[in-house]
Amino acid sequence: DQQVKQNSPSLSVQEGRISILNCDYTNSMFDYFLWYKKYPAEGPTFLISISSIKDKNEDGRFTVFLNKSAKHLSLHIVPSQPGDSAVYFCATNTGNQFYFGTGTSLTVIP
Amino acid sequence: KAGVTQTPRYLIKTRGQQVTLSCSPISGHRSVSWYQQTPGQGLQFLFEYFSETQRNKGNFPGRFSGRQFSNSRSEMNVSTLELGDSALYLCASSLVISGELFFGEGSRLTVL
Repeated sequence: DQQVKQNSPSLSVQEGRISILNCDYTNSMFDYFLWYKKYPAEGPTFLISISSIKDKNEDGRFTVFLNKSAKHLSLHIVPSQPGDSAVYFCATNTGNQFYFGTGTSLTVIP
Repeated sequence: KAGVTQTPRYLIKTRGQQVTLSCSPISGHRSVSWYQQTPGQGLQFLFEYFSETQRNKGNFPGRFSGRQFSNSRSEMNVSTLELGDSALYLCASSLVISGELFFGEGSRLTVL
């Protein structure tokens, strides 16, 4: 049973435009969320996180938004670059276990 | 400092066989977690070990097992392999239980 869901398996965006990756979660008790990025033949690497006490966290071109009432978070990449092409996983850390989504494969077209 | 190392990187087995995968965590990390990645299922948690003790286990059958050694290195074993066990198996280490995860490159298992 997926605790964290990414309903878009893939996304294509033109270079320079905004990429928006979405994630929904089931349990309102979850309070810490992360995004990981994975290139082929490499392990996932941490990208950005957000705690439930905030509704936005920004790190350079990457911003994560959290809507607690909707149990929804999104990752915005602006501007998108070809090197951003990868699979993005959202995850929550309950303090006891990580739950990961199914991933969204982002392709940034030059 | 060296990252998480997983061996072997690729392997092919046949149904009914068993397999053992190895993971060497980042030096100083005492927690090792294992995940299975398959298309459409994302990263599914298998188990987490800390100081040689299994701290948490995901929803996988008993054919999946693991252990951790005193040097924090970990192995996972899958017995009586099934076609559906074909996946990328990822190991992650962290300093503390459920801490920030640092992943290895994975072991790609193909079951024929």
